Formats: sequence, C-alpha cells, structure tokens
Amino acid sequence: AQSVTQLGSHVSVSEGALVLLRCNYSSSVPPYLFWYVQYPNQGLQLLLKYTTGATLVKGINGFEAEFKKSETSFHLTKPSAHMSDAAEYFCAEGENTGTASKLTFGTGTRLQVTL
Amino acid sequence: GAVVSQHPSRVICKSGTSVKIECRSLDFQATTMFWYRQFPKQSLMLMATSNEGSKATYEQGVEKDKFLINHASLTLSTLTVTSAHPEDSSFYICSARGAGPYEQYFGPGTRLTVT
Repeated sequence: AQSVTQLGSHVSVSEGALVLLRCNYSSSVPPYLFWYVQYPNQGLQLLLKYTTGATLVKGINGFEAEFKKSETSFHLTKPSAHMSDAAEYFCAEGENTGTASKLTFGTGTRLQVTL
Repeated sequence: GAVVSQHPSRVICKSGTSVKIECRSLDFQATTMFWYRQFPKQSLMLMATSNEGSKATYEQGVEKDKFLINHASLTLSTLTVTSAHPEDSSFYICSARGAGPYEQYFGPGTRLTVT
C-alpha cells in the first residue's frame, strides 16, 4: 500500500517568512501528487497538483511545490507567509487500485502564522 | 464550477438512533463519490467508494451494515450511520470524482455528535 509522509505535524512561521511544508511519497511509479488546504470545520480545497510535465507546480494563493523523483518528495512552499495561510495542509497521492482511483493522504501539517 | 455540498453541516443525535448525511454535486454529474472520516487533528480516512447504481466498496475495517451508502443518482450520495454510538462522533467529508486523474472535489463536511 502506498503511504504519504508529512514531516512535522505543526509548523510555525512569522508573517512574511518562508513557508516550507514537507511531503514524501512512496510510489515507485510516476505518481500523481496533490496538496490540499483545510480551514477549521471545512472541507478540503485543492492548492495544486502534479500529474506530468513540469516538476515545479504553481498553485493558488502563492503556493508552489516541486516534484523531486530522486528524493520522492513534493514539498510545498510559499515565499512569504500571510496570516490567512494558517490552516491544516494535507499532501496526497493518487492510488490506482484497479477499481477506483483513490487518494492516500498524509497525516497533515498545521501551519501557524505569527505576527 | 465543481461544487459539492453536504447536508447537514452539523448534526447531534442520541445514541442508538440513525442519521443520514447527503452529498450532492451541484453543477456536474459524479458517477463516483467518496466518503471520508476525519477524527480531530487527524488525517482523512477513506471509508468507502460510492458508485452510482451499484454497491459501495468499503475499506477494510469499515462496517458496511453500520455505514450504509446509497448512490441513487448521478448527483447524490447518502451516508447513513445506523444505531449511532458516541464513538461514531466525527467529521464526515464526501468528495466527488472529477474528470482529471485522481481529481476529487470535496464537500464542506458534516460534524456528527452522538450523545
């Protein structure tokens, strides 16, 4: 079974500082990778996704992520954090089970942004 | 586009009763919908995959007789928690499969509290 690892369940940055949220995947075949954001008591909103092609993917709200096959990583970054970025972030990998295309989620990283 | 709604957003029920949660794709047809469960400060755990016109596929460890899923139309899937107990209290999130690989659109979630 596939697994997605998010290092750091809690990350705190100052407003204006670089945001780096780490994600490593396990698939040995070209993966489909996603980052989602979840605000309190809400569903998930897609930030960005990697399917094929360019390894640096740009998403909404100034976020981007880089697919690195050699490191099996798909870390999420944003150059300058904003207070509104405080939320839970989930990395996910597409898993083809033959009968359904499922997503396997990491355990999530809570981003705190301080003044 | 690609909006998924859930109803209700919050529900409180007494132990032993059943509660139904609806998941609707508002502006597109979804042959496949997914039901997730999320415990506080944890990741999303896939419960089942719901396919229109056929039986749902449940993940290992999920009781199909307790969590009844009906996908009667291309825009509606329902999850019924039967004989609910306090340990069933959780945040339930549905998603609808999109056109792209592993693409899913998530609903806002339903918080179930069983007293």
